[in-house]
Amino acid sequence: TQLLEQSPQFLSIQEGENLTVYCNSSSVFSSLQWYRQEPGEGPVLLVTVVTGGEVKKLKRLTFQFGDARKDSSLHITAAQPGDTGLYLCAGPDDNYGQNFVFGPGTRLSVLP
Amino acid sequence: DVKVTQSSRYLVKRTGEKVFLECVQDMDHENMFWYRQDPGLGLRLIYFSYDVKMKEKGDIPEGYSVSREKKERFSLILESASTNQTSMYLCASSLTGGRLELAKNIQYFGAGTRLSVL
Repeated sequence: TQLLEQSPQFLSIQEGENLTVYCNSSSVFSSLQWYRQEPGEGPVLLVTVVTGGEVKKLKRLTFQFGDARKDSSLHITAAQPGDTGLYLCAGPDDNYGQNFVFGPGTRLSVLP
Repeated sequence: DVKVTQSSRYLVKRTGEKVFLECVQDMDHENMFWYRQDPGLGLRLIYFSYDVKMKEKGDIPEGYSVSREKKERFSLILESASTNQTSMYLCASSLTGGRLELAKNIQYFGAGTRLSVL
């Protein structure tokens, strides 16, 4: 069974700080996705990474897929209160048809 | 843009009521999924469907059923609601098969339905 772990579980920082959150697995994933979920809302897709070593940038957010496609990181530069939310990583469950595996999430709070 | 629409954002029901949660997607996706999300437990898969009239149990199907009569619509049914079914319910859809490109093998979510069973 493919599993995804995320760290840290919780993160509280001041506005303007930088941070990195991690998504790790012992299994290889064909791709990984990052979602942000705000309280009371559904997860919104931020990015999908496909190639080992790939780096994608979305404004102040930088996503990296590990060379071996077993891990990914999300780095936020100069965090803002609007970045507050639950960050989920997910990937196709290559062992089970069209299903997906989700990490437990990192809950980020950016204080003004 | 892909749009997954859940019919209700908030629902309050009584124990024993039959509850219907509706989900519609507009991107002709084959796959549809129902999850529930609880603090500390993450996303848990209730049921999924890869095609019209097809359904498969996920990790926690007990107390739930589903219906997929049309490709775009996937309904979750709580036959007799109980207080332990109070939760956030999320519907998602994705592409599959011959139309799938690796970079598009992703799930798109609705805004969620927060259900309270009293």
